[in-house]
Order: sequence, then structure tokens, then C-alpha cells
Amino acid sequence: SQKIEQNSEALNIQEGKTATLTCNYTNYSPAYLQWYRQDPGRGPVFLLLIRENEKEKRKERLKVTFDTTLKQSLFHITASQPADSATYLCAPLSSGGSYIPTFGRGTSLIVHP
Amino acid sequence: DAGVTQSPTHLIKTRGQHVTLRCSPISGHKSVSWYQQVLGQGPQFIFQYYEKEERGRGNFPDRFSARQFPNYSSELNVNALLLGDSALYLCASSLQSGHNQPQHFGDGTRLSIL
Repeated sequence: SQKIEQNSEALNIQEGKTATLTCNYTNYSPAYLQWYRQDPGRGPVFLLLIRENEKEKRKERLKVTFDTTLKQSLFHITASQPADSATYLCAPLSSGGSYIPTFGRGTSLIVHP
Repeated sequence: DAGVTQSPTHLIKTRGQHVTLRCSPISGHKSVSWYQQVLGQGPQFIFQYYEKEERGRGNFPDRFSARQFPNYSSELNVNALLLGDSALYLCASSLQSGHNQPQHFGDGTRLSIL
């Protein structure tokens, strides 16, 4: 069955450093992969989408890579700030017609001042 | 512009009861999806509707049903509630169904089953 793995342990980093979050998937080949941010008690907020034929995508301080050979996506936040503290969800999109995202459990990021 | 709105924000029910959750999408969005999120997990897909037709269904029992209205708002119904149905129910809208459409989420309905 399809499986998405994100680090279950929280990632603690110091302000100003680069945060790197990992998303691994098995047993399918998504055509797209989305990343979302979720704050406590709120719904997820869309951040970035990357296509299978794109190696890298950037948006301001965010960078996403997509390695279809390793079946892995990396999500980077450069010059991290305490306001970046949240849970980050990866969501590969299956290509079975409706491209419905399947979410990982998310990784909690805590940026310390 | 208003984002996705869901009602109610919180709800407490007892086992065996039924519940109706409501969602209004962003103006102009024709696709609505429903997700269930239990604590510590990512959202799990329940249904997707586009132009009032079901476009996708996740691995949930028949106790779960949904519909979309002509104004693109949507309802999620759950019958014969079980303790395990306690979760945050999220609604998301997008312009269209399929492809790489970003999902715009509401803040959910927190459902507690006693």
C-alpha cells in the first residue's frame, strides 16, 4: 500500500539556520508533490507544488526538491524565524484521475530565538 | 475575500447519533474536498465533489456521505457515530478538480464523540 514517511520527531533549530524536512514515499509514483504548513487548531495552508519533472522549486525562503529515483522530497527553509514554527505536511498527488493528495503525518518544526 | 468557512467549529455528540458538517468554499471555487484529521496524523481524504458530482472517495465506511449544492457549498454527513469518529474534519476548496490544484482549507470542525 502507499506509504508516506515524515520525521515523527520534532525538528528543533536556532533562528537564522536552515531547516530541512524530509518526505519519503513508497509504493507509488506521484506526478506532483505539495507541501503545506499547519498551525495548531488551524487548517493546512498550501506552500509549494513541484512536478515530477522538476528537480527543484523555490519561493522566497522556501526550497523544495523532488527526487523520483530516491522517492523523496526535501523541504528547506533558509534563514529560519520563530514564526516558521509549525507542522509541515507533504502531500504526494496520485495520478489516478483526480490527483487527490495523500498527506503524510507532518513534521513539527520549532525555531528557537 | 472570505476563505473557506466551516460550521460548526466544535461539536459534541454521543455514540449512535448522526452529524452534519457544513462548508462554504472560496467564491469561484467549484471543487470541495473533505478530510478527517486525528491528533498527530495528517489529513485523510474522505470525499471530493466537483460541479455537484462525486469525483473521489477515500477508504471510509458507508456511514460517511456528502453532497454538493448548486452554490458549491457542501455537507458531510456521518451516521451511527463511533468513538473513533472523534477528529478534526477539514473542508478544502479548489478552482477545479484534479491535476495539481492547491487545496484551500478551512479551520475545520472539531467533533468529539462521547
